[in-house]
Amino acid sequence: GDSVTQTEGQVTVSESKSLIINCTYSTTSIAYPNLFWYVRYPGEGLQLLLKVITAGQKGSSRGFEATYNKETTSFHLQKASVQESDSAVYYCALGDRYVGDNSKLIWGLGTSLVVNP
Amino acid sequence: GGIITQTPKFLIGQEGQKLTLKCQQNFNHDTMYWYRQDSGKGLRLIYYSITENDLQKGDLSEGYDASREKKSSFSLTVTSAQKNEMAVFLCASSISGGPNTGQLYFGEGSKLTVL
Repeated sequence: GDSVTQTEGQVTVSESKSLIINCTYSTTSIAYPNLFWYVRYPGEGLQLLLKVITAGQKGSSRGFEATYNKETTSFHLQKASVQESDSAVYYCALGDRYVGDNSKLIWGLGTSLVVNP
Repeated sequence: GGIITQTPKFLIGQEGQKLTLKCQQNFNHDTMYWYRQDSGKGLRLIYYSITENDLQKGDLSEGYDASREKKSSFSLTVTSAQKNEMAVFLCASSISGGPNTGQLYFGEGSKLTVL
């Protein structure tokens, strides 16, 4: 089957420190994976943070970066210097480029980031 | 920009009761989705709809009905609520296909508690 595994539970980081949230995927049915990071800020709905559809490419948004590594089947989320406003729940997701209706999105369990001032 | 509105935000029901959640979007998106999120589990697709009056079952459709009478709205019914059931239901919409594949817009969620 297809699955996404990301850093479990809660990650606590001090403001201005670096962050990495791990995400690895496994697929038996998707020939051309699309990879996504979504974020849920307190009191808001889930929203797309960044996406990458081509292996080897890097996506970036709001200071966050993630590189699609096909060899290690990974899509880790990184930020060099976090801010308190980055406190949120982050979800890694795997999609199929050729399933346009998005019905085959596979979601990680979410990682809660707490940034301490 | 647009918005997705889910009602109610909190829903408390009794075992065996039929309960309905509603979702409205003003993005003019064709496709809408209902996901269930349980503690410790990823989002699981219940139903989706690619156009008005269309319904497609997801991985978790048993025990649920859905309705898409208008392009802008998508409702989900729990046909018989189970005791001790607690989950968050998320509604989403998207443009299907092309460069926007994978870009969903979500509501804030509806939290269900069954007593």
